[in-house]
Amino acid sequence: GAVVSQHPSWVICKSGTSVKIECRSLDFQATTMFWYRQFPKQSLMLMATSNEGSKATYEQGVEKDKFLINHASLTLSTLTVTSAHPEDSSFYICSAKDPRTNTDTQYFGPGTRLTVL
Amino acid sequence: AQKITQTQPGMFVQEKEAVTLDCTYDTSDQSYGLFWYKQPSSGEMIFLIYQGSYDEQNATEGRYSLNFQKARKSANLVISASQLGDSAMYFCAMREGSRAGANNLFFGTGTRLTVIP
Repeated sequence: GAVVSQHPSWVICKSGTSVKIECRSLDFQATTMFWYRQFPKQSLMLMATSNEGSKATYEQGVEKDKFLINHASLTLSTLTVTSAHPEDSSFYICSAKDPRTNTDTQYFGPGTRLTVL
Repeated sequence: AQKITQTQPGMFVQEKEAVTLDCTYDTSDQSYGLFWYKQPSSGEMIFLIYQGSYDEQNATEGRYSLNFQKARKSANLVISASQLGDSAMYFCAMREGSRAGANNLFFGTGTRLTVIP
């Protein structure tokens, strides 16, 4: 099956610092990965689409300078929350499209819970 | 308009009974895909089942089946023989467009299922 890992699973940081979250596809190569944000008891909100070898595509209202995305290889995408503030505290979850399927199914990582003090 | 509507914020089911979680969708595309994901309290999003718009048969995966009614634009998830481990949030999602093009998944607001012993 398709396995996606995410690291770290949780992080606590001080306001003003930057935090990097890694998303890896473990058993397949993913040209496209996605970053979502989820507030408590709410649905997933797509933040950006990460494409290997090109710039990420951000959704309307998502600050690209705030949420830096780098798709460094076919198995790794990173999200860096720069100058984090308490309002950035949230659950961040990535997914990767498995090209081996003919359904474009997205497989999700376990998520990262970010708390900014 | 909402692309995915899940009208049941919460559902209860007796252990070993079947339960249906409702999902309706809105799209003008002829080609689209419908997905169901399970999110336990740990936060990970687990892919359950997929239905393509051109699939004539309802999708089935073990105890999960998808009741696809294209004319009504509904894609209800049926869980048979419920188990305590089925207690979780369930999200319906849709990918619009042809497989070669579209990427985004649109998520519903989710249904919290509680299985009662």
